[in-house]
Amino acid sequence: QVQLQGSGPGLVKPSQTLSLTCTVSGGSISSGGYYWSWIRQHPGKGLEWIGYIFYSGSTYYNPSLKSRVTISVDTSKNQFSLKLGSVTAADTAVYYCAGISTSDTSIPTWGQGTLVTVSS
Amino acid sequence: QSALTQPASVSGSPGQSITISCTGTSSDVGGYKYVSWYQQHPGKAPKLMIYEVSNRPSGVSNRFSGSKSGNTASLTISGLQAEDEADYYCSSYTSSSTWVFGGGTKLTVL
Repeated sequence: QVQLQGSGPGLVKPSQTLSLTCTVSGGSISSGGYYWSWIRQHPGKGLEWIGYIFYSGSTYYNPSLKSRVTISVDTSKNQFSLKLGSVTAADTAVYYCAGISTSDTSIPTWGQGTLVTVSS
Repeated sequence: QSALTQPASVSGSPGQSITISCTGTSSDVGGYKYVSWYQQHPGKAPKLMIYEVSNRPSGVSNRFSGSKSGNTASLTISGLQAEDEADYYCSSYTSSSTWVFGGGTKLTVL
C-alpha cells in the first residue's frame, strides 16, 4: 500500500508563498494509479480539494484557488509539491497530500496532514 | 462549486442504525457513480469507508453501507459501536473534473 508523508513549514507570513512537499513510499509516483492531490481542512471545518497532478505533469486545480496554486511533481524523488501564493489568514488550515484513485476517484491514501498557520 | 449538503450532526445508541445523507446536484452526486465516504477521528487523516456509492474497501466493516437515489447519497451504519463516533464526509467527482466534499456530519454514539 502506498504511503504518503507531507512536510514543510508550519508558519508562513501573510502575502508570502506556502510550500509543501509530499513523499510517496511503497510504490512509484509514476505508476499511473493515482492523481496526486492536495486537500485542506480549515480548523474545525470541512474538506476542500485544492488540485492534483498526474505523473505525466498534467494538472487540474480548484477554480476558486487556481490563480494562486501550483502543483508540481519530481518523479526522480518520488515527490510532489504544492505552492500557494499570496497567502492570508484564511489559508490557515491542515494541508493533506492524498492519492486519488484513477479508477474510481476515491481517496484511499492520505498523508498525516500538516498544519500551516498564516501569521506575521 | 458548492459543497455537498450533509446534516451537521446525527446520534444513535449502541446497536442502533443511523443514516447520513449527502445532497448534491445532477452535476456531481446525481450524475456519477463516483460518490465516496470518509471517516475522520479527531486529529487524524480521513479514512475511506465507501467508494463508488456502495463499495467497501478491504478491511472496512460490513456494518457500513452506501446507497444513492437521484442527487442524494446516503451512508448507513448499522450496529453502532462506540468506535464509530467520528466525523463523516461525503465526496463526489463533478462534471467540472473536480472533487467536492460535504460539510461533514458529527456522529455521536450515546
